Amino acid sequence: DVKVTQSSRYLVKRTGEKVFLECVQDMDHENMFWYRQDPGLGLRLIYFSYDVKMKEKGDIPEGYSVSREKKERFSLILESASTNQTSMYLCASTGGDIQYFGAGTRLSVL
Amino acid sequence: GQQVMQIPQYQHVQEGEDFTTYCNSSTTLSNIQWYKQRPGGHPVFLIQLVKSGEVKKQKRLTFQFGEAKKNSSLHITATQTTDVGTYFCLKGAQKLVFGQGTRLTINP
Repeated sequence: DVKVTQSSRYLVKRTGEKVFLECVQDMDHENMFWYRQDPGLGLRLIYFSYDVKMKEKGDIPEGYSVSREKKERFSLILESASTNQTSMYLCASTGGDIQYFGAGTRLSVL
Repeated sequence: GQQVMQIPQYQHVQEGEDFTTYCNSSTTLSNIQWYKQRPGGHPVFLIQLVKSGEVKKQKRLTFQFGEAKKNSSLHITATQTTDVGTYFCLKGAQKLVFGQGTRLTINP
């Protein structure tokens, strides 16, 4: 079974803090993705990566950055968290065409 | 940008009634996928459609891809409480775009 693990299920941070969301997959997938999910807006792509040290902007990259130093790990970074970044964050990796998702991190920025 | 419009946003049915959600694109799709997200869970892949006019079935679920490959639907016959969740379509290929999702709730 494919496993995509996100480091935290729930996270509470303060405005202005630097936040790291970690994602690890165990299936040697090349492609990894970060989404945020908000009611009524579905899943929106923040960043994705097709290879180590490679990153591409998705639809809503502003306020975020990513890091892919190893194939299995894809990190999402909020340089200075803001309240409008309160959301559910989902990481995924792709095997063939299928997206395998982690359990998600619900981030609250106060 | 390229969007996939999914309707309805919400659907509440009595257990045993049918349910359908639709995805529409202004551009031709190379393929479309469907995912289900249970309450409190994460999206899980259901199926991928690739061919024009394709119809696939999984028990009570029927998936269709339009002849022009611009729309797709997911139909559930005789819903059960286990069908509760949000159903998403995903436009694949070069740019991944999810539909907004249809949240299905069921009155037992």
